[in-house]
Amino acid sequence: DVKVTQSSRYLVKRTGEKVFLECVQDMDHENMFWYRQDPGLGLRLIYFSYDVKMKEKGDIPEGYSVSREKKERFSLILESASTNQTSMYLCASSLTGARGTGELFFGEGSRLTVL
Amino acid sequence: DQQVKQNSPSLSVQEGRISILNCDYTNSMFDYFLWYKKYPAEGPTFLISISSIKDKNEDGRFTVFLNKSAKHLSLHIVPSQPGDSAVYFCAASASTSYDKVIFGPGTSLSVIP
Repeated sequence: DVKVTQSSRYLVKRTGEKVFLECVQDMDHENMFWYRQDPGLGLRLIYFSYDVKMKEKGDIPEGYSVSREKKERFSLILESASTNQTSMYLCASSLTGARGTGELFFGEGSRLTVL
Repeated sequence: DQQVKQNSPSLSVQEGRISILNCDYTNSMFDYFLWYKKYPAEGPTFLISISSIKDKNEDGRFTVFLNKSAKHLSLHIVPSQPGDSAVYFCAASASTSYDKVIFGPGTSLSVIP
């Protein structure tokens, strides 16, 4: 069964802390994505990666960075967490040219609270 | 500025009736459109898609209609079932921008038994 696994379902951090959110997929997908979901705003794309060591900014990259050292792993980093980064973070993966199937595979999400 | 809009945050429908969820987009470069369904505490799951070369795609109880000139698409669910109660996200992508997928804000559908 295909799977996208996010390392933590729930995290509570303090303002100014460095936060790592890890995502691993076992489908050999080229593309990986980080979204955040907020009420009334839907899913907003933070960063995506179409290959190892490649990354592209999404619509809201400010305050975030990413790392893709291996094909199966895509990490989201908050260098200095702030309260406005409290959100649900969703990782997804897809094959290149996934438009033909339309399918992003999502993890279950990581709910981050910054105090 | 949101490129994908879903102007109805919520919708309630009686079981057995038709549910119609609407979506508008502003970017004329979008050429592929998708619907995802999300239950609480789970990640979104793919439901149905449509390419801009078509105006209709059907999969069981789900049909998506695309009106390119109006930059509008809609998802029809017939007949609606209580298990369809979820948040539905409209999404779009452009073949010129890798596989970047942009989502709308979502519509929460409640199907009343």
